[in-house]
Amino acid sequence: GDSVTQMEGPVTLSEEAFLTINCTYTATGYPSLFWYVQYPGEGLQLLLKATKADDKGSNKGFEATYRKETTSFHLEKGSVQVSDSAVYFCALYTGGFKTIFGAGTRLFVKA
Amino acid sequence: NAGVTQTPKFQVLKTGQSMTLQCAQDMNHEYMSWYRQDPGMGLRLIHYSVGAGITDQGEVPNGYNVSRSTTEDFPLRLLSAAPSQTSVYFCASSSGYEQYFGPGTRLTVT
Repeated sequence: GDSVTQMEGPVTLSEEAFLTINCTYTATGYPSLFWYVQYPGEGLQLLLKATKADDKGSNKGFEATYRKETTSFHLEKGSVQVSDSAVYFCALYTGGFKTIFGAGTRLFVKA
Repeated sequence: NAGVTQTPKFQVLKTGQSMTLQCAQDMNHEYMSWYRQDPGMGLRLIHYSVGAGITDQGEVPNGYNVSRSTTEDFPLRLLSAAPSQTSVYFCASSSGYEQYFGPGTRLTVT
């Protein structure tokens, strides 16, 4: 069945460091891919999306490129801030209203 | 525009008690779902609904009931609480690929 695998955390970085959180997926169809972010004490919210191969999603300085050949959707940010500390979820959607989420990666950013 | 609301925010139950977690959305979304979030396990789907009067089981439905009498509301019932149901519960709604989440209910069963 469809699944999402993302790197285990926690990831701890200093402010202004480069961030990469790896995500790979398995899907039988042509999924749309997403990154959701969960700030402390809150629900998840959509961070960025890509709906077809080679699309790049971007928002708030974060980027991810839909790579069909490697079945990946890695999240990157060039310079993280303390306010980026959160849990990040990679997710895929193949239709029918159901979304499959990865296990989440917790990011800590130190000042 | 409230989005997805959940009540209560926190709840402590004793083993064997029952309760209902409330969820409401004001976006006229057809699809609603309940997840539980446990450390290291991400989000697991409990039940979902594709419209009023239609519900189905997710991957971890045991011990939970749902109903969907209106588009807006999707309550989750714990029939006889167990310590294994200690978790954070999220309700979500969607009209397509993007899911909108509520703020969550933190439930502790002692």
